[in-house]
Amino acid sequence: EAGVAQSPRYKIIEKRQSVAFWCNPISGHATLYWYQQILGQGPKLLIQFQNNGVVDDSQLPKDRFSAERLKGVDSTLKIQPAKLEDSAVYLCASSLDFVGDGYTFGSGTRLTVV
Amino acid sequence: AQSVTQLGSHVSVSEGALVLLRCNYSSSVPPYLFWYVQYPNQGLQLLLKYTTGATLVKGINGFEAEFKKSETSFHLTKPSAHMSDAAEYFCAVSGRQGAQKLVFGQGTRLTINP
Repeated sequence: EAGVAQSPRYKIIEKRQSVAFWCNPISGHATLYWYQQILGQGPKLLIQFQNNGVVDDSQLPKDRFSAERLKGVDSTLKIQPAKLEDSAVYLCASSLDFVGDGYTFGSGTRLTVV
Repeated sequence: AQSVTQLGSHVSVSEGALVLLRCNYSSSVPPYLFWYVQYPNQGLQLLLKYTTGATLVKGINGFEAEFKKSETSFHLTKPSAHMSDAAEYFCAVSGRQGAQKLVFGQGTRLTINP
């Protein structure tokens, strides 16, 4: 079974620039999550999709972050404009409907904002 | 809302010694509980999970954890540490109903001394 694919692996941008991350979940997984992991902290949920609908985006900074999931499969997360505090690893995960199965995480995208 | 607290941001043990990583949760109802491991520059990998049934759960790489409702704990143990166990470990909790999502603790970095 192929895992969760993310790209790029690394990205360095200047503050106020824009950036986009891509995620391809495991085939058949209805639920997709984007987490932000700041160095030294646990992952924090940014947004949760069920198929192509948003279930929870309460912690997504909507003035600068946006996300979409086209046709209930791939997803993109965008930051515009980026701030220094956005430097983090952005993790994508997917799961079947039942959270008790656990998530499968991608390797993440490490973003550095300078 | 659910939350978890991991006691000790850094734990150091000798190779062959017992590993004990502590996790306490807060939830109004019995939750689902998980332990994940993260190696450098990688995503999170599921070690084990408690959803229902036996309170002592066994996971990969010789790890196990016990759900203790009276103590609201889900500590992770391994009888004998290996050098390859050096990594960051995250405890996570999820509700059983509604828009299920994982809420992570701050993480514990495990160092193994030769």
